Order: sequence, then C-alpha cells, then structure tokens
Amino acid sequence: DADVTQTPRNRITKTGKRIMLECSQTKGHDRMYWYRQDPGLGLQLIYYSFDVKDINKGEISDGYSVSRQAQAKFSLSLESAIPNQTALYFCATRMDRVNGYTFGSGTRLTVV
Amino acid sequence: AQSVAQPEDQVNVAEGNPLTVKCTYSVSGNPYLFWYVQYPNRGLQFLLKYITGDNLVKGSYGFEAEFNKSQTSFHLKKPSALVSDSALYFCAVSPFGVGNTGKLIFGQGTTLQVKP
Repeated sequence: DADVTQTPRNRITKTGKRIMLECSQTKGHDRMYWYRQDPGLGLQLIYYSFDVKDINKGEISDGYSVSRQAQAKFSLSLESAIPNQTALYFCATRMDRVNGYTFGSGTRLTVV
Repeated sequence: AQSVAQPEDQVNVAEGNPLTVKCTYSVSGNPYLFWYVQYPNRGLQFLLKYITGDNLVKGSYGFEAEFNKSQTSFHLKKPSALVSDSALYFCAVSPFGVGNTGKLIFGQGTTLQVKP
C-alpha cells in the first residue's frame, strides 16, 4: 500500500456541488498539507495541519475547507465547486523540516 | 516575499548529453533545498536535498545538485541524460526562522525533454 493515499484519483463534478477529497497516510507524520497544481504555476498551498487541533490556512484557502479527523486523515472540501477550481490536488506529509514531503498520487478534479 | 524561481519552462537535451535545470531562491536565513520529479499522472517523487555541508549533493537516478549560497542557486544536474529522465521537475525551499511553518515553497516547474 502507498504511504499516502488519495481518493478519488479522478472526479468530475458540477458547478455548485460540494465535494470532498480524502487523504490518509501510514507514515505516522504529524504534518499534513494540501496543495493544488496548475500548469505554469507550480504548487500552491491550500491548507496545512500540524496535528488534529492545529489547522492553518495557506496561500489560496478561499473556497476550501479542511478536516483533520485523525493523525492519519486529512480531508479537503470544496463547499460549492466552481470551474476555476479545476486542478490537480496533492496531499503531502512531512516528518520534520530536515525531511521533505511524501506526496500522494494526486486527485484530478474537473468542475464543469 | 519568499519565492523560488525556475527560469526555464522547458529544457531540451539530447540523450547522452549533460543536463542542467536551474533554480534560484529568495528566502531569509539558511533554507533547506529540495528537488522533486513528477512523471505523467503521478505524484511528486523526492530526488535530493541540501541541508548543510558539501555544496554538491547526490540523489536518485544519477542526479546531483549544486548549492551556491552567494548566487542563491540550487541547479539540478546530470552528466548523461536518458530519455526516461523526461518529466516535470520542481525545485522547493524550506525557509528557516520564526514564523516559518515547515511548508515547502515550490518553483513553477521545468519540463525536461530528452530526445533520442
């Protein structure tokens, strides 16, 4: 099994719908992150969490919310999806600052 | 503002030739530096990192990177490119200091195309 698992892998949804992207990890890391990737823009941080009670906004949190249900689970929600949220979404975990991220395989979201 | 720049959207190189993918950064303090690779329809995979010590670090798949503090650069290199190296490469920086959250700041990405 993968260290960081994202579900679903692909999703097409309609404008205005609520959608949840899920992330689970077996690394035992406290730090978890959600990024979105757009062509030519690299990765932009949406939300991050250092533990279940510590949730923080990233650079582009508007229109998104998160839930840290347990150390191993960190979900990203789009409350009312819009087309410009069409992107590739990545979840990542990190043990500490010396080590980099471990990424999930990504969720490709299309909002029509 | 803290940032990472990859000045080339795409790098083209012939198989067997050396390759360089450039990265410069603008952050305070002594950051940690990383390179990641992304193959189509895959997540990002760790290649190598610079924490401290020797300015030339070696990583996976024969890649290496040279840290230059005075030029604030961390260029990715490989002596002999393979067609299978064709992918999207990201440079990332972990800033150090009060208020930094342990997040990585990513460059825009550079597509490496290796032709037979």
